[in-house]
This record gives sequence, structure tokens and C-alpha cells, in this order.
Amino acid sequence: QKEVEQDPGPLSVPEGAIVSLNCTYSNSAFQYFMWYRQYSRKGPELLMYTYSSGNKEDGRFTAQVDKSSKYISLFIRDSQPSDSATYLCAMSAGGTSYGKLTFGQGTILTVHP
Amino acid sequence: KAGVTQTPRYLIKTRGQQVTLSCSPISGHRSVSWYQQTPGQGLQFLFEYFSETQRNKGNFPGRFSGRQFSNSRSEMNVSTLELGDSALYLCASSFGLGGLSTNEKLFFGSGTQLSVL
Repeated sequence: QKEVEQDPGPLSVPEGAIVSLNCTYSNSAFQYFMWYRQYSRKGPELLMYTYSSGNKEDGRFTAQVDKSSKYISLFIRDSQPSDSATYLCAMSAGGTSYGKLTFGQGTILTVHP
Repeated sequence: KAGVTQTPRYLIKTRGQQVTLSCSPISGHRSVSWYQQTPGQGLQFLFEYFSETQRNKGNFPGRFSGRQFSNSRSEMNVSTLELGDSALYLCASSFGLGGLSTNEKLFFGSGTQLSVL
């Protein structure tokens, strides 16, 4: 079983929809939680960064972390065709886990006009 | 501010050859991490360097090695290439200072797409 599980989709939604992306994890040492967006033939781009449990909002994006359930989510409001990409959750235990992020498999999202 | 730069963008090699990939981090970042991305395994951590020292290592065979120079630029080498080494190799940089602040924010380059024939 992978440490981080993410539904690969693909997920297809109409423009303007609210998108919900989720990951579950098994390692209770994880305390830093991130969401990256990756366009085709590009490197991952950091979208959201959260430490420990709680919510964080940035524009149309909201990240939620529930450490008690080992569950994280990313919500995209008013989705746009330019949001079409692969979304990757990533986690780190911090401390001496220098540079090491554990990624989910990624969810392929398509937003159609 | 320039981002993480990786060269070359594409590489084609044959089995048994070796390859060296290069990464220039964001100015001011002293930590460089390397990742392998494949459709089957996703993104997997290779190793991390800080001040020319390897601080962390993933579960890859010894054919995968790296180094970091005094200007924080890093190279990754893969020897005796195998077909399964075909992947997108990504480099990420950060301040790498430790603690509970910004050290975990990794910024990725566009990667080097390696094809082994």
C-alpha cells in the first residue's frame, strides 16, 4: 500500500464548477502538506502549502487538512479551462526529511468551456 | 527572479551508457533535490544536497548518484542505463535551512526527459 493515495481520475467538469480533489495518507509523521499543479511537459508548480491541520485559502483555491482522519483536500472554485492540468498532493515529515516529499499519483483534471 | 533551470531538456541514450543531468537552483537556494517521474510510479525522491553534502537519499540503486558544487548548482549521474530509467527527471530547490518555516517549499524545474533505447 502506498503512503499517499490519490484518485487518478480523470476528472472532467464544466467551466465554473467547483472541483474537489482529495488524498489520504498513512504516515502520521507527515506535518507539511502541499498541492502542486503540473501542466504537460512542465515541472510541478506549488499551489498551496499548509502546516498541520486547518484550512488555507488563496484566491479560488482552498486547501484543507484533517490530520485526525489523515485526509487532505483541495477545492477549486469557479474552475477555468486554464485549470486543466494534473494536480498532485505532496507531504513531508519535516525535520531531517530534507528535500523529500511523498507524492500522490496525481489527478488529471479537464475543465471544458 | 529566475526559476530552477535544468539542462538538457531532452536526452536520448542507449542501454549501458551513462548520462549527466544539470540543475541550477533559484538564486539564494542552497538545497537541491532530485526526483524521478514515471507514469507507473509517479514522482519518487532520489536524493537531496545542501552545501555540497548529500543529506538525504531515497531508495534507488547506486547507479544513481549526484553532486553539488559550491555555487549550489547540482548534477545527477546515471550509469549503466537501463530501459526502466526512461523518465522525466526533475530537480527542485529550496532554502533548506530546516525548522518549521519555509524550508519545505520546493520549487521545481521543467525537468529533463530521458529516453533509454
